Amino acid sequence: KNEVEQSPQNLTAQEGEFITINCSYSVGISALHWLQQHPGGGIVSLFMLSSGKKKHGRLIATINIQEKHSSLHITASHPRDSAVYICAVPYSGGGADGLTFGKGTHLIIQP
Amino acid sequence: DAGVIQSPRHEVTEMGQEVTLRCKPISGHNSLFWYRQTMMRGLELLIYFNNNVPIDDSGMPEDRFSAKMPNASFSTLKIQPSEPRDSAVYFCASSLSFGSGQFFGPGTRLTVL
Repeated sequence: KNEVEQSPQNLTAQEGEFITINCSYSVGISALHWLQQHPGGGIVSLFMLSSGKKKHGRLIATINIQEKHSSLHITASHPRDSAVYICAVPYSGGGADGLTFGKGTHLIIQP
Repeated sequence: DAGVIQSPRHEVTEMGQEVTLRCKPISGHNSLFWYRQTMMRGLELLIYFNNNVPIDDSGMPEDRFSAKMPNASFSTLKIQPSEPRDSAVYFCASSLSFGSGQFFGPGTRLTVL
């Protein structure tokens, strides 16, 4: 089973700061997912990436397959970015799997 | 599209009762996943289906849990008998195909007293 480690577990920052959340995993994978869980509990898929970098608005996700590591960056952070960010990878590494999840990073952006 | 639909959104029951959670995946999606989220263990995969066939149920905690997908538009997760430690939020997710992005339902918050 793939093991996922995320850091930091908790992060409080001021509005406008550049945010980085890290994720590492133990078994080679076909793709990695970044999810956002809102305070109300809903889960939204932000990115699914298998190599390089993806960008959506102020969010950037990068992955290094060789090092089994991914980062999620938020530029010009805003209080509405406050949420739990969760890294997830296929359960046993392949693409045809359910996901196994990191513990999440609880992000608070203060105005 | 309405997205993944789960019902009920909240369920409160007493220990020993049967609980059935329901999920309607996004139309056209071939894969369906059941996850459970608790404070202690975070999000965990319970079982997933591809084309209505269970592929891996190794995450199902014990025999009290069962899941079915009788057709492409409906799945159930049943707990019988329920126990207080089953209290959690249960999420259903679907994806277009294996290896594609997953879309999560709003979850069912289960409380077993």
